[in-house]
Amino acid sequence: DTGVSQDPRHKITKRGQNVTFRCDPISEHNRLYWYRQTLGQGPEFLTYFQNEAQLEKSRLLSDRFSAERPKGSFSTLEIQRTEQGDSAMYLCASSLEGSGRVTEAFFGQGTRLTVV
Amino acid sequence: AQSVSQHNHHVILSEAASLELGCNYSYGGTVNLFWYVQYPGQHLQLLLKYFSGDPLVKGIKGFEAEFIKSKFSFNLRKPSVQWSDTAEYFCAFITGGGNKLTFGTGTQLKVEL
Repeated sequence: DTGVSQDPRHKITKRGQNVTFRCDPISEHNRLYWYRQTLGQGPEFLTYFQNEAQLEKSRLLSDRFSAERPKGSFSTLEIQRTEQGDSAMYLCASSLEGSGRVTEAFFGQGTRLTVV
Repeated sequence: AQSVSQHNHHVILSEAASLELGCNYSYGGTVNLFWYVQYPGQHLQLLLKYFSGDPLVKGIKGFEAEFIKSKFSFNLRKPSVQWSDTAEYFCAFITGGGNKLTFGTGTQLKVEL
């Protein structure tokens, strides 16, 4: 499968623990996005990268959240000192930007985080 | 603020019925519009998109959508639904100079045999 892959698919953690998720985008895509989706809501933008540069962060992304894309390929999203309100599906997507145009975003299957 | 409004949260139809899901966006400038679908247990997949040109766009599986700029709408239609269309449908847009999708809250469609 050459789509966007995310690992793990499910994560259960105790409140206060740190968690890290990984996303591998489609290989030729230079843009990578993180979204969060809670029950009954559409995905909400968290942050995006163009190659290795993090170009935009949502106000939803508190200082407990950090994302990296060190070599412009895979990305990690870390949540420190998790809270029950962090329970959600974390979605990764990628797209290709070139000549001022952006293709549609392709989504992974998500990582479902449950904080107990 | 940019937003997307999907009017129906839950829709139940019988097979062969016609479908129309409403979507209105809030933004005054140029937009690119999308409908994504999420089948049970699967990831979000693109159904169709509008970037420019003919405002009536056709997507996969017999779906189509019409962009009406004056109404800020991008309604999704299918003349005859199938049981396999049971899924959640999300309308989304990206602004002309923007970098992120803004999604609606989704419409859960259930098609009964």
